[in-house]
Amino acid sequence: GENVEQHPSTLSVQEGDSAVIKCTYSDSASNYFPWYKQELGKRPQLIIDIRSNVGEKKDQRIAVTLNKTAKHFSLHITETQPEDSAVYFCAASRASGTYKYIFGTGTRLKVLA
Amino acid sequence: NAGVTQTPKFRVLKTGQSMTLLCAQDMNHEYMYWYRQDPGMGLRLIHYSVGEGTTAKGEVPDGYNVSRLKKQNFLLGLESAAPSQTSVYFCASSYSRTGTGGKETQYFGPGTRLLVL
Repeated sequence: GENVEQHPSTLSVQEGDSAVIKCTYSDSASNYFPWYKQELGKRPQLIIDIRSNVGEKKDQRIAVTLNKTAKHFSLHITETQPEDSAVYFCAASRASGTYKYIFGTGTRLKVLA
Repeated sequence: NAGVTQTPKFRVLKTGQSMTLLCAQDMNHEYMYWYRQDPGMGLRLIHYSVGEGTTAKGEVPDGYNVSRLKKQNFLLGLESAAPSQTSVYFCASSYSRTGTGGKETQYFGPGTRLLVL
């Protein structure tokens, strides 16, 4: 079946350093890739997304890159801050029909002050 | 707007008991989804609905039933709870025909923590 692999499962960085989380998807028809941030005990919240007609998208300290050929996409967080500490989930979706998501298993990011 | 809300926030059940989780959204979304979240396994889709009166199975539907009698509500039922159903349950919704923003973005409720003893 379709799946999304996400790595690493945990990531610790020093405050101010960059963090990169990588995902690989199996369904070549996927064309929408959101990233969600989930703080402890809270709901997942969308932080950035990218569609397959775009290779890169930035929003302040956060960027996402997409390599359709390799079926990889990555989240990049620069100048990390303690409030970036959370679990991050990637997902892949065919942006049509049911708009179902297949989620990765999550990355726990710890930003050390 | 309240967005997506879920009732209850927390519940303890004994094996074999039944319960219904309620999800409500006020964004006029067509699509609604139920997920379960377990440590190390991300979010897995249980059932979903693409409109009032419709439901369909997701990745892990066994032991659950759903109904969408009204567009704004999506109910998840456990007929005979099992310890394996201990989890955090999230509801999400997406796709407004009349609203702005992407059709694809799913908005999540605050979750229901369920413990089955």
